[in-house]
Amino acid sequence: SQQGEEDPQALSIQEGENATMNCSYKTSINNLQWYRQNSGRGLVHLILIRSNEREKHSGRLRVTLDTSKKSSSLLITASRAADTASYFCATTGSGNTGKLIFGQGTTLQVKP
Amino acid sequence: GAVVSQHPSWVICKSGTSVKIECRSLDFQATTMFWYRQFPKQSLMLMATSNEGSKATYEQGVEKDKFLINHASLTLSTLTVTSAHPEDSSFYICSARDRPPGAFFGQGTRLTVV
Repeated sequence: SQQGEEDPQALSIQEGENATMNCSYKTSINNLQWYRQNSGRGLVHLILIRSNEREKHSGRLRVTLDTSKKSSSLLITASRAADTASYFCATTGSGNTGKLIFGQGTTLQVKP
Repeated sequence: GAVVSQHPSWVICKSGTSVKIECRSLDFQATTMFWYRQFPKQSLMLMATSNEGSKATYEQGVEKDKFLINHASLTLSTLTVTSAHPEDSSFYICSARDRPPGAFFGQGTRLTVV
């Protein structure tokens, strides 16, 4: 079953602008991860934030986590056309099963 | 970084036939692998957890006799779609854990049943 919702479902921006995607989840988590998927391809791991962390940076990516609201956001700064892809958040539950439960995803289009 | 290889990347089969998809961890041993299914423009749905040397654990609503999973070694899990039908057409993706919490995904397999 899906963990939660992501919004927006689709986002179209110009190159150089920032893109913000949000993810909400329903159950308690150990960590939350963001993945990227180019059309028809596998997933690429972007960043992981643990349940005791509030913010994390990696290059042009900034992730926040609010466990009280059960939500996370992914910010991509200074977007590039190559950032065009679908972005998914995924959570692991409180157990250490390794199962990932994915959000619905946000399709990002960055126009050159 | 750890690499997971999935084969084939795409397959077309006739209705009623069976299709086997392989998932290999290339540079690490994976006692657990996961199989996901993704319909067009939708998210990934976990189908089952593949456990080396034991039976797979299927998610609710996934037919275990339809989707046979075998995890015979620490580097290989296979998913066999038996008696495939057009509604089984989908994108199937596997993942494997090197060490928690990292998960590495295969390239995915596009299955089209005609």
